[in-house]
Amino acid sequence: DAMVIQNPRYQVTQFGKPVTLSCSQTLNHNVMYWYQQKSSQAPKLLFHYYDKDFNNEADTPDNFQSRRPNTSFCFLDIRSPGLGDAAMYLCATSRVGLAEETQYFGPGTRLLVL
Amino acid sequence: AQKITQTQPGMFVQEKEAVTLDCTYDTSDPSYGLFWYKQPSSGEMIFLIYQGSYDQQNATEGRYSLNFQKARKSANLVISASQLGDSAMYFCAMSSMDSSYKLIFGSGTRLLVRP
Repeated sequence: DAMVIQNPRYQVTQFGKPVTLSCSQTLNHNVMYWYQQKSSQAPKLLFHYYDKDFNNEADTPDNFQSRRPNTSFCFLDIRSPGLGDAAMYLCATSRVGLAEETQYFGPGTRLLVL
Repeated sequence: AQKITQTQPGMFVQEKEAVTLDCTYDTSDPSYGLFWYKQPSSGEMIFLIYQGSYDQQNATEGRYSLNFQKARKSANLVISASQLGDSAMYFCAMSSMDSSYKLIFGSGTRLLVRP
C-alpha cells in the first residue's frame, strides 16, 4: 500500500545534541510537509517542500532545518534541541498542494529531550 | 484571515449512538476544502472525510458524514453507530488559496465512547 513512513517512531535525545527525523513516501507526491504538535494542541506547520522548493514558515525557529534529497525522502534536522522542542513531529504529503487535496500523514515521531 | 473553530473540547457518546462534532470556519475565499482528521492516542493523523466548497451534496464515508451548511459556514462531522475505537481526538481543518493551500486546523475535540 502507498503510504507515508516515519522513522524512528520514538526518539530520545539530549539537550543540545543534534537529531534527525526522517520521512519517506511511496505516493509520489510533489509536496511534503513537516508539522510540530505539542500535547493537546493542533499541529503547527514548520515548513514544506514543493518538489525541491523549500518554504519556511515565518515563525519556525532557525534551530529547525530540512532537507529533501529526492521525491521520496524528507528529513527534519533539529540542530540544538531544547526542552521545549519535545513534541510529536508529523510528516505529511499531498499531490500538488491545492485546496481540494488531502494531506496524508505519517505515524509521527515522538521526540523526548532529556 | 482563515480560521477554524471547534467549540467542544471534549465529548462523550454511548456506544452505538450517533454523535455530532461541531466545526465552523471563516474565509473570504470562494474556493476551499474542508477536512476532518482523527488522531488516536498513537498519534497518527488519519484522514476521514473531505468536503469541497462547491460540492452540492454532503460528503459521506462509511459511518462518517459531513453536515455542510455553507451559509452558516459550518462543517460538522457526524459519526453514526459509535464504536469504542472511535475514541480519539478529532480535528477539523481547511485549505484555500488565501491560506496558500496550507491546512488551517481547529483546536480539536476529544471524543470518548462509553461502553
